[in-house]
Amino acid sequence: AQTVTQSQPEMSVQEAETVTLSCTYDTSESNYYLFWYKQPPSRQMILVIRQEAYKQQNATENRFSVNFQKAAKSFSLKISDSQLGDTAMYFCASSPKGTYKYIFGTGTRLKVLA
Amino acid sequence: SQTIHQWPATLVQPVGSPLSLECTVEGTSNPNLYWYRQAAGRGLQLLFYSVGIGQISSEVPQNLSASRPQDRQFILSSKKLLLSDSGFYLCAWAPAGRLETQYFGPGTRLLVL
Repeated sequence: AQTVTQSQPEMSVQEAETVTLSCTYDTSESNYYLFWYKQPPSRQMILVIRQEAYKQQNATENRFSVNFQKAAKSFSLKISDSQLGDTAMYFCASSPKGTYKYIFGTGTRLKVLA
Repeated sequence: SQTIHQWPATLVQPVGSPLSLECTVEGTSNPNLYWYRQAAGRGLQLLFYSVGIGQISSEVPQNLSASRPQDRQFILSSKKLLLSDSGFYLCAWAPAGRLETQYFGPGTRLLVL
């Protein structure tokens, strides 16, 4: 069975600094997708970034980037130039390609400090 | 562009009462639709998914049911709510034929007393 583990329940970072959120996963699938979702206090889940496992290049979306280590089954999220609006719960998720199933981690609560 | 709506935003219901939560998607056809529940401080649990009208698959046996009466409408129901049904319910959609990315609605906060 697939599992996703986020070992950092809470983190904080100073505004304008960089922070990295960790995620490890376990899967027997040969191809799959990995995601980071953000859940701000409004609780709507917002897609931050997506990575397809067969692509070697790490995905980047503006201030958000990932460090995808396929052999280690690691998928960390780096947030550069942190902003107060980045304060949220961040969920890592995996999904086998061609299926509807998402497996979510338990989340990391990030607080950006002014 | 596509948008997804959920209502109500918040609901307080007594134990034993019925439930109906609605989700609608605009700007797309034949989406895949999903219902998730998020308990306090926890991740998301997939409850139901649907690939078309009248086609519902249940992931977790429970007190809830789902229906899809129209292409872009997904309803979560219960005949008799339990205390354990309290939580945050999220609807999500994915484009037809492209399952890889799901987009979430604003959610409904349900409190059963």
